Amino acid sequence: DTGVSQNPRHKITKRGQNVTFRCDPISEHNRLYWYRQTLGQGPEFLTYFQNEAQLEKSRLLSDRFSAERPKGSFSTLEIQRTEQGDSAMYLCASSPSGGAAKNIQYFGAGTRLSVL
Amino acid sequence: GQSLEQPSEVTAVEGAIVQINCTYQTSGFYGLSWYQQHDGGAPTFLSYNGLDGLEETGRFSSFLSRSDSYGYLLLQELQMKDSASYFCAVRASGFQKLVFGTGTRLLVSP
Repeated sequence: DTGVSQNPRHKITKRGQNVTFRCDPISEHNRLYWYRQTLGQGPEFLTYFQNEAQLEKSRLLSDRFSAERPKGSFSTLEIQRTEQGDSAMYLCASSPSGGAAKNIQYFGAGTRLSVL
Repeated sequence: GQSLEQPSEVTAVEGAIVQINCTYQTSGFYGLSWYQQHDGGAPTFLSYNGLDGLEETGRFSSFLSRSDSYGYLLLQELQMKDSASYFCAVRASGFQKLVFGTGTRLLVSP
């Protein structure tokens, strides 16, 4: 069990560029979540996958944001035409769908995005 | 929608006990969780309450009263390493997402 892995850890980009982040969940977890966190705030939910199906999506996820989990393993989050307001920590979490840990979300260390 | 309220900051000394309160509003409550986050770190799970009452895990305990839409996290025998932000998070039935509070920053002094 290597935990939830996110890459890159930091990303600096210019406004208007596209960026893509990757999340590798804990291997036996079929649920995967993306959150966004800004300084001094709690994580805000963006989207949720069970296996490869995207089952929940926040209204925060504008049409510039897209997430995929094509084979039900790793996931990518893409932001197109980045804006300065997109600067935040993007967190990925995973959980199993059954058992004692089903109510626990395990978070990765996040990808910090800075849009200049 | 869902919303949570918790104090913004709490201070305490090593060895003390501190309680962090959380009140929430949600339709179709499923469970209340607590997460710890050190500066620059990932949120880490501390405790979960799906039913009323107290859950104890080592130095940390969490309490839930669904009728009062209220919960708290109790930290005992405080250590310097407990200085961190603590978030309560609510899950509504039918959904998997967590809605987090704005967090309580705990400062533990010698």
